[in-house]
Amino acid sequence: EAQVTQNPRYLITVTGKKLTVTCSQNMNHEYMSWYRQDPGLGLRQIYYSMNVEVTDKGDVPEGYKVSRKEKRNFPLILESPSPNQTSLYFCASMGSGSDTQYFGPGTRLTVL
Amino acid sequence: KQEVTQIPAALSVPEGENLVLNCSFTDSAIYNLQWFRQDPGKGLTSLLLIQSSQREQTSGRLNASLDKSSGRSTLYIAASQPGDSATYLCAGRYGGATNKLIFGTGTLLAVQP
Repeated sequence: EAQVTQNPRYLITVTGKKLTVTCSQNMNHEYMSWYRQDPGLGLRQIYYSMNVEVTDKGDVPEGYKVSRKEKRNFPLILESPSPNQTSLYFCASMGSGSDTQYFGPGTRLTVL
Repeated sequence: KQEVTQIPAALSVPEGENLVLNCSFTDSAIYNLQWFRQDPGKGLTSLLLIQSSQREQTSGRLNASLDKSSGRSTLYIAASQPGDSATYLCAGRYGGATNKLIFGTGTLLAVQP
């Protein structure tokens, strides 16, 4: 089954404790992206990747890092999480020549 | 600034009713517009995608339209069912390398049995 998976699905952590949210897609898509969703603000793009080893900032990249060492994986790294990063995070992917973006199930992160 | 707005924020209808969800966007140079359904714990499911050159798309009981000149898109749901209850998001994609989707804040739909 074609899908985008994220882990963990739920995470409660404390300020400053480094964490990684993984994202994996099995559709051989070149493009991958991370969004965060906050009440009243909708989804906003954090980072995106056009292909392996090609990443760039979205609209709200502060406090986040990403890497794209393999085509299927696009982890989101929070080196020193802060409470304002409490949010619902979504990973998305899209194949070249396609216009439809596929989203993962989301990761709900709480930073205390 | 490219913005997408959805009105109303919430809507409650009785089962069987036909309904329309509205989406407006500020920049008419839109590449395509996508409607999603969001269910708690299940992420976003793509419902319909309309290219800028198209006027509408249909899938089952769903019909989405796009009017670039007025900056509007609508999602029509025919014969609504309780299973249609969810949050509906519209997202516009513009040109550029980011492939970024600009999302509205959604309409929370409740279909009462």
